[in-house]
Amino acid sequence: GAVVSQHPSRVICKSGTSVKIECRSLDFQATTMFWYRQFPKQSLMLMATSNEGSKATYEQGVEKDKFLINHASLTLSTLTVTSAHPEDSSFYICSAIRGGPGVTDTQYFGPGTRLTVL
Amino acid sequence: GENVEQHPSTLSVQEGDSAVIKCTYSDSASNYFPWYKQELGKGPQLIIDIRSNVGEKKDQRIAVTLNKTAKHFSLHITETQPEDSAVYFCAASKGNQGGKLIFGQGTELSVKP
Repeated sequence: GAVVSQHPSRVICKSGTSVKIECRSLDFQATTMFWYRQFPKQSLMLMATSNEGSKATYEQGVEKDKFLINHASLTLSTLTVTSAHPEDSSFYICSAIRGGPGVTDTQYFGPGTRLTVL
Repeated sequence: GENVEQHPSTLSVQEGDSAVIKCTYSDSASNYFPWYKQELGKGPQLIIDIRSNVGEKKDQRIAVTLNKTAKHFSLHITETQPEDSAVYFCAASKGNQGGKLIFGQGTELSVKP
């Protein structure tokens, strides 16, 4: 159990376009999901915390108008990179915390999405 | 805020040897310490975690120890195998932070056959 999927796994887009990345918890309901970005040979950088039915909480320095997050259901969160530029090229990873009885704070990660902006 | 330091940044061992990765944290209120393994091009995979009410936890070849007084925790891998080669991340969180994790910088482990 505790499987998180992401779609797409890779995406290449032109500068100025928008890209949507989906994060789904496949076998559990996720009250909280997180979005990270990771540059080569670096650690994970938290971008925002997403709670179902409420606005996302963004980390300092992350532009909320550029990285739109929607947590529309207990199994789906989306990250939209608007007006993408080459510097937005990165590995984007989501994670989810299982909700319900016996709730813990264990985060289960998705496989990541490689975004390349030309 | 919380800060997590991880050492070493790279570690090379011979197959069959043990590997130890160490992390220190700054916030004494942190109470949950997971370890993740990340293979190239993939998302992190939880391999073991420990909470502040225990000092050691073991799962087959993997063990984690926690010293709350010194604010450090370590990952121990015994009988290493080539498939253990990956980047390992430690992390820490506090119970009142909604599960927010603070990650260490990562350790690239290479197990040579």
